Amino acid sequence: EAGVTQFPSHSVIEKGQTVTLRCDPISGHDNLYWYRRVMGKEIKFLLHFVKESKQDESGMPNNRFLAERTGGTYSTLKVQPAELEDSGVYFCASSLPGLAGGEQFFGPGTRLTVL
Amino acid sequence: QKEVEQNSGPLSVPEGAIASLNCTYSDRGSQSFFWYRQYSGKSPELIMSIYSNGDKEDGRFTAQLNKASQYVSLLIRDSQPSDSATYLCAVNQAGTALIFGKGTTLSVSS
Repeated sequence: EAGVTQFPSHSVIEKGQTVTLRCDPISGHDNLYWYRRVMGKEIKFLLHFVKESKQDESGMPNNRFLAERTGGTYSTLKVQPAELEDSGVYFCASSLPGLAGGEQFFGPGTRLTVL
Repeated sequence: QKEVEQNSGPLSVPEGAIASLNCTYSDRGSQSFFWYRQYSGKSPELIMSIYSNGDKEDGRFTAQLNKASQYVSLLIRDSQPSDSATYLCAVNQAGTALIFGKGTTLSVSS
């Protein structure tokens, strides 16, 4: 069974540009989460989808970040315009639906560098 | 603010020894507790989950949970050089966002 996949693995952009990250969860996993780790800090939650609905977006840092999950399958996270402090590793995780969804499985991450 | 605290390490143990990793959490409402292993430049890999007080064993790994003390630990028996990694403690309420600690770096010397 394929795990969580993310694209791209690395992205280097200039301040002010736009970047879109993609996450494909494990098939059948209704729950999809985005997390971010900035250098020297712990992994922090950004938002949580249940199918196509945003369940919790309390971790989104500001309105420059836009997440979508059309059709309840893959998700995209767009940063527009990017700022220097957005640099870090963006992880996606997915889990089974409902009460069985305790364990979250992580993708390989996208390393974003904003210059 | 909900927090998870871990000693950053590095924790150094010789091959074959027991490695003991500890974690405390602030939210008494936490229901689920996880240990992830992360190799440098790789994604967090789930190695243990525990939901009730006591011990849970899986191979060389034992997770211990004490909700009264808000304390979770991970024991690795017969440590191997391949166990050298950063170990992340994470907690949540069922199905919600994970709250992570900064991780403990483990180094196992051969």
